[in-house]
Amino acid sequence: QKEVEQDPGPLSVPEGAIVSLNCTYSNSAFQYFMWYRQYSRKGPELLMYTYSSGNKEDGRFTAQVDKSSKYISLFIRDSQPSDSATYLCASARGGADGLTFGKGTHLIIQP
Amino acid sequence: DTAVSQTPKYLVTQMGNDKSIKCEQNLGHDTMYWYKQDSKKFLKIMFSYNNKELIINETVPNRFSPKSPDKAHLNLHINSLELGDSAVYFCASSQEGSLRGYTFGSGTRLTVV
Repeated sequence: QKEVEQDPGPLSVPEGAIVSLNCTYSNSAFQYFMWYRQYSRKGPELLMYTYSSGNKEDGRFTAQVDKSSKYISLFIRDSQPSDSATYLCASARGGADGLTFGKGTHLIIQP
Repeated sequence: DTAVSQTPKYLVTQMGNDKSIKCEQNLGHDTMYWYKQDSKKFLKIMFSYNNKELIINETVPNRFSPKSPDKAHLNLHINSLELGDSAVYFCASSQEGSLRGYTFGSGTRLTVV
């Protein structure tokens, strides 16, 4: 079992819909949880950063972490065609040991 | 100003050659990283480095070696390039402890022919 599991999609939704992206993880030592957006041929761009469990909201984006079930979610409200990209969840224990990524979900927002 | 910059953006080279990729960050972070993204877009940590320790992913061949002249730079040197080394290599930086602002560069697309 991979440490961070993520459905690669593609996930296609109409413009304006609420998008729900999810990951599960297996390592109980993970404390830091992030969501990155990656456009084609670009570097990953940090969207949301969460330490431990809880919710975090930033504009149209909401990140949720449930450590009891090892479940990570990203919600996008009022989705736009410009949100079409690959969304990567990532987790880390901390220190300098790097992020463990899911495989990424390819999201398509249809105009 | 680009926060994490890598050069070159593209690199095409023959098997057996030795090459380097450079990375610089101007965020004042104390930890830098190299990641490899394969053809299936899976991102995997290769190295992390701060002024205290170098952590090497055990799956990385010893043909790959990071070199850090100072806190703001972490270069990646690759010896005896193989076809399977073709991938996109990303540099990243963060502040140890909080991992806040974990920022990636735009990547170096390496093609070995």
